Amino acid sequence: AQTVTQSQPEMSVQEAETVTLSCTYDTSESNYYLFWYKQPPSRQMILVIRQEAYKQQNATENRFSVNFQKAAKSFSLKISDSQLGDTAMYFCAFMKHPNFGNEKLTFGTGTRLTIIP
Amino acid sequence: DVKVTQSSRYLVKRTGEKVFLECVQDMDHENMFWYRQDPGLGLRLIYFSYDVKMKEKGDIPEGYSVSREKKERFSLILESASTNQTSMYLCASTEKGRAPFTDTQYFGPGTRLTVL
Repeated sequence: AQTVTQSQPEMSVQEAETVTLSCTYDTSESNYYLFWYKQPPSRQMILVIRQEAYKQQNATENRFSVNFQKAAKSFSLKISDSQLGDTAMYFCAFMKHPNFGNEKLTFGTGTRLTIIP
Repeated sequence: DVKVTQSSRYLVKRTGEKVFLECVQDMDHENMFWYRQDPGLGLRLIYFSYDVKMKEKGDIPEGYSVSREKKERFSLILESASTNQTSMYLCASTEKGRAPFTDTQYFGPGTRLTVL
């Protein structure tokens, strides 16, 4: 079974600064996907960024980037130039490569990020 | 845009009541999921379905059942609600994975259930 660990329950950072959220996982799979999801207060969960394990290049989406260290089983999220709208709960999630399209996500416990004006 | 809707944002029920939580998606997705979200525990998978009338247990299925009679609708049923089922319930859907895998799970807004 897979496990996902987020060791930072809460973080806060000043607006415009850079913040890194940590995530580690444990799996025996070689082919899998990793995700960061964002859940703003009272709003729907949305995908922030996705990384395929077979790709060595770190994924990037505008101000969001990841540091994927496969050997260390680490998948951290970096938010650059943080904005007030980044205030949310962030979840790291793992999915092994789907067989016949039946995929399940395993989530970490989340990090509550607050951007301070 | 994919839309996943849930029947209620807030629900209050009494212990022992039968509770139905409904989820509907409008993108013809094959896979649908029910999670519960609790502080400090993250999201935990209750049940999922990869086709009409098909269901599989997730990590915490005890005390729950599901129904998927139509592709767009996935219902979570609490046969006899208990106080330890007070939680936020999230529904999600995704198209069946195919290479190259690009699909992600789309989430509904959640139902906050309180069992008194």
